[in-house]
Amino acid sequence: QVQLVQSGAEVKKPGASVKVACKASGYTFTTYGFSWVRQAPGQGLEWMGWISAYNGNTNYAQEFQGRVTMTRDTSTSTVFMELTSLRSDDTAIYYCVREGEVAGTVFFPFWGQGTLVTVSS
Amino acid sequence: DIQMTQSPSSLSASVGDRVTITCRASQSISRYLNWYQQRPGRAPKLLIYAASTLQSGVPSRFSGSGSGTDFTLTISSLQPEDFATYYCQQSHTTPRSFGQGTELDIK
Repeated sequence: QVQLVQSGAEVKKPGASVKVACKASGYTFTTYGFSWVRQAPGQGLEWMGWISAYNGNTNYAQEFQGRVTMTRDTSTSTVFMELTSLRSDDTAIYYCVREGEVAGTVFFPFWGQGTLVTVSS
Repeated sequence: DIQMTQSPSSLSASVGDRVTITCRASQSISRYLNWYQQRPGRAPKLLIYAASTLQSGVPSRFSGSGSGTDFTLTISSLQPEDFATYYCQQSHTTPRSFGQGTELDIK
């Protein structure tokens, strides 16, 4: 069965960077893309961007352009999300999501457990 | 960017009630609309994709409809485990925006 296991919680100071890992298992890693979605405390879901597990192509939300980098390591079936220049409003749970696709429709059937990133001085 | 607006933002209902949540897109998204359920402290769970296709394992009391800009999620007979927050999401274009959520609680 598909499993996504994310790295543990992080506490960072403003201006620092964080890199969250997400290890996939239970299927052929390069077949599907991944999105990253974050959720600030008590708030809704925010899509951050996408990475192709096949070739590493990326597509970032405008809000995060210049601050986010998504990468993948096919040898370990792991995707990474790095966010730089952290601010207090980056405090959130960060989810990796393996996409699904049927007849051109993309959806998010598999979610990691989430990684809490706290930005505080 | 496509904006997704859900209504209502919150809803109180009783076990056994029929409930409908609405999602409106700021431009036509055909049927590229997904619905998720999120319980407190848990990751979201996919309920419906492509506006009306039930994800495997999701109870048949959940249904979705709509196309273009207007969509609905209906729960035919609320069960205790259905009290949660529901989100719509468009997958027509990137950014793959979500609605702001509808919190469904017990009356």
